[in-house]
Amino acid sequence: SQTIHQWPATLVQPVGSPLSLECTVEGTSNPNLYWYRQAAGRGLQLLFYSVGIGQISSEVPQNLSASRPQDRQFILSSKKLLLSDSGFYLCAWAPRTLTTNEKLFFGSGTQLSVL
Amino acid sequence: AQKITQTQPGMFVQEKEAVTLDCTYDTSDQSYGLFWYKQPSSGEMIFLIYQGSYDEQNATEGRYSLNFQKARKSANLVISASQLGDSAMYFCAMREGGSGNTGKLIFGQGTTLQVKP
Repeated sequence: SQTIHQWPATLVQPVGSPLSLECTVEGTSNPNLYWYRQAAGRGLQLLFYSVGIGQISSEVPQNLSASRPQDRQFILSSKKLLLSDSGFYLCAWAPRTLTTNEKLFFGSGTQLSVL
Repeated sequence: AQKITQTQPGMFVQEKEAVTLDCTYDTSDQSYGLFWYKQPSSGEMIFLIYQGSYDEQNATEGRYSLNFQKARKSANLVISASQLGDSAMYFCAMREGGSGNTGKLIFGQGTTLQVKP
């Protein structure tokens, strides 16, 4: 069966420090991968998605970047964190052979606090 | 551009009663899918129910049903016989058929449901 791992679960970082969040998927090949961010008590905002190794699409201009160095690995990064980068970050995957009814499977999330 | 609107920031329901969570959407695609997810305080995202734009019948999954009104572009979630464990945030989401192989899901702002004993 497929599983998705996301770490760390919580992270407290000072403003201006770098960031690296990692997400890996097991039990499937060629998944579509996604990074979402959720501000406190708010909805999920799609940040990045990837349909293949090295293929990254950004949905919103921001201080963050994403990379997909391996088929089932998705990394969210920042060189210098801002206060506004605080939030709950969720990684998700879906099978490549998508139909409209294919749901996303989410990781357990990372709560990032930038102080 | 696709858009999902959930106009109820918070809802209360008495245990064992039914509750309806509203969702309206906007899309120019004829083919699309609508999803509901539950997010407990732990933060995990739990898939509840799916409705396709060409499905003629409303989707049902146990105590969850989706009241799909295509002409009004609404996809309300109905939870019957509410339980204390239903207290959570609920998100409506949409995928357009025209999104191709990206599979992007666009989410609404969510509704926080509290079930009273």
